[in-house]
Amino acid sequence: GQNIDQPTEMTATEGAIVQINCTYQTSGFNGLFWYQQHAGEAPTFLSYNVLDGLEEKGRFSSFLSRSKGYSYLLLKELQMKDSASYLCAVRSGWGAGTKLIIKP
Amino acid sequence: DVKVTQSSRYLVKRTGEKVFLECVQDMDHENMFWYRQDPGLGLRLIYFSYDVKMKEKGDIPEGYSVSREKKERFSLILESASTNQTSMYLCASSFVRIYNEQFFGPGTRLTVL
Repeated sequence: GQNIDQPTEMTATEGAIVQINCTYQTSGFNGLFWYQQHAGEAPTFLSYNVLDGLEEKGRFSSFLSRSKGYSYLLLKELQMKDSASYLCAVRSGWGAGTKLIIKP
Repeated sequence: DVKVTQSSRYLVKRTGEKVFLECVQDMDHENMFWYRQDPGLGLRLIYFSYDVKMKEKGDIPEGYSVSREKKERFSLILESASTNQTSMYLCASSFVRIYNEQFFGPGTRLTVL
């Protein structure tokens, strides 16, 4: 969606931490979603933020600032299986996704 | 576990053909969605339905129609396929609040020659 911006591609090392940013513009904010999509597969839900702050779920955390129209997905202790695209979504649509490449 | 299935993983059609893509979900979800996904453009909403026989246009409905005769089934119809409709088509479903988590089917890769 043209109102949602994410980096196209990021590279990180196995075992490290990576932060994927998402900025958005939308009217009537109802929350922000992050989905993971492995190549050739369907997107699967990761997280949902509707209030400001950090939501932690195991190795993955998601942060939201409504006033700044900004979110990030934080992935810790990266594993090779985390190589995938990460999609940010709000009411106005979906970001194009960030392809995350994990190197040994 | 929620299961969303789509009628085909891969489909090849010719320009001008009528194409039916079917989606079935088994979790009694009220909402169902059809998206297309193209490189660099992300997911774009074609149509969604919040109840049987109800439908709403999404961002790119032109050239498509939908049908929802039963709660579990949502069909996408390309009345006259064109080459610019070559894409990955994803179906999803969710509970009644549209901004609930969506569960996706495996997708149909449609090629129009």
